[in-house]
Amino acid sequence: QKEVEQNSGPLSVPEGAIASLNCTYSDRVSQSFFWYRQYSGKSPELIMSIYSNGDKEDGRFTAQLNKASQYVSLLIRDSQPSDSATYLCAADNAGNMLTFGGGTRLMVKP
Amino acid sequence: SAVISQKPSRDICQRGTSLTIQCQVDSQVTMMFWYRQQPGQSLTLIATANQGSEATYESGFVIDKFPISRPNLTFSTLTVSNMSPEDSSIYLCSVLEGGGKNGYTFGSGTRLTVV
Repeated sequence: QKEVEQNSGPLSVPEGAIASLNCTYSDRVSQSFFWYRQYSGKSPELIMSIYSNGDKEDGRFTAQLNKASQYVSLLIRDSQPSDSATYLCAADNAGNMLTFGGGTRLMVKP
Repeated sequence: SAVISQKPSRDICQRGTSLTIQCQVDSQVTMMFWYRQQPGQSLTLIATANQGSEATYESGFVIDKFPISRPNLTFSTLTVSNMSPEDSSIYLCSVLEGGGKNGYTFGSGTRLTVV
C-alpha cells in the first residue's frame, strides 16, 4: 500500500524560528510532491510543490526532496503565529491522484 | 488556478437521510476528485469522477452509499446516502491543476454533522 507518513505533532516553535516539517513516502514511482497548509475549519491550500532532488525556495518556504531516501521536508523561516496550521504532505501516484500524509500540526508561539 | 464553488458549506442532518453536495468549477476539467476528512484525520479519496463515465471508487467506498454525478466538465455532485453519525466529516471536491504538476485545488468543503 502506498503511504505517506508524517509526524502528527504538534510541533511547537517560537516566533521567528525555523519550523522543520518532515515526510516520508513509500512509493518509489512518485515523481511530484506537494505541501498543503490547512487552517482549522478550512480546506487545504497548496503552498509548495517539488519534483527534483534538492531544494526549492519560495519566500519563507523551502521544500527539500531526496528521492533516494524517499524523504520530503518543508522549512519555514521566520515563523509567524499566522503559520500555525496543519501541514499536509502529498505524493502523486498512478492516475494523477495524490496520496496524503496524516498532517503535522504546527504551533508558532508569539 | 481554478476556482471551485462548493455547497452547502455545512449541514446538520438526521440519520437515515441523504445529502447532496455540489461542486461548480470555473473552467472545464477532465477529472474531479471527492475526498473525505474525518475529524482530526487526513484526506481520504472517495472517488474520481470523469465526465461521461462512471465514477471510480476507492476501496471502502461504494456507489450505493456515495453516488456521484458528473453531467459536464464543470460540475459534479456527491450524495451521502442513508447517513449515520459515522458519516460526520468534511467532504471536499478537488480538481487537478496543470496536468498534475500543480497539485490539486480544493473546494471550500462541506462540514457534515449527522445526528
